Amino acid sequence: GQNIDQPTEMTATEGAIVQINCTYQTSGFNGLFWYQQHAGEAPTFLSYNVLDGLEEKGRFSSFLSRSKGYSYLLLKELQMKDSASYLCASRRSATNKLIFGTGTLLAVQP
Amino acid sequence: GAGVSQSPRYKVAKRGQDVALRCDPISGHVSLFWYQQALGQGPEFLTYFQNEAQLDKSGLPSDRFFAERPEGSVSTLKIQRTQQEDSAVYLCASSRILGPGGAFNQPQHFGDGTRLSIL
Repeated sequence: GQNIDQPTEMTATEGAIVQINCTYQTSGFNGLFWYQQHAGEAPTFLSYNVLDGLEEKGRFSSFLSRSKGYSYLLLKELQMKDSASYLCASRRSATNKLIFGTGTLLAVQP
Repeated sequence: GAGVSQSPRYKVAKRGQDVALRCDPISGHVSLFWYQQALGQGPEFLTYFQNEAQLDKSGLPSDRFFAERPEGSVSTLKIQRTQQEDSAVYLCASSRILGPGGAFNQPQHFGDGTRLSIL
């Protein structure tokens, strides 16, 4: 993706916590989205941040720092079904389109 | 169902053939997007509609790609004279523009995509 950087792969253990980082281009920034995508399926919306801080939604939380162009997705109490690709996407002010990263493939091991 | 529906789910075509991919957005969603996703990559923006107006087509790779949404609901992505590099998953997404209170935080809801293979 254009100027969206996130790790390609991560591995974590069932029951643990994992943090997936994302950096993005700050010019024209108008919101940061996280999506989950299982193989062969549609991306599903997880979270949205536009102001600095932490948004918590059950086992998933997302953090944003606008000045640093940085976000992370925090997954707690990992379950095997959390094995998927996690997509970070930024929205630019002048358009509604999303600029996606390449996705982080998370493997949760027993 | 209440989600975004795309058809066909899979499409195989020979190089040089024309293909048409259909998207039925969530009812009442004004915005509609097409993305192209290569294996192991994130979705790449192709084009955006607000109702029937195509407001952004900056992501269409060439003039062989054409999209329309004539009545502001169903959309079709057409690829003419297909080439092998067109092989990918084509995702459609829809959203509201404004949420309660005028918030621009409406997420895009994706369909399962059409997996296009060009032989």
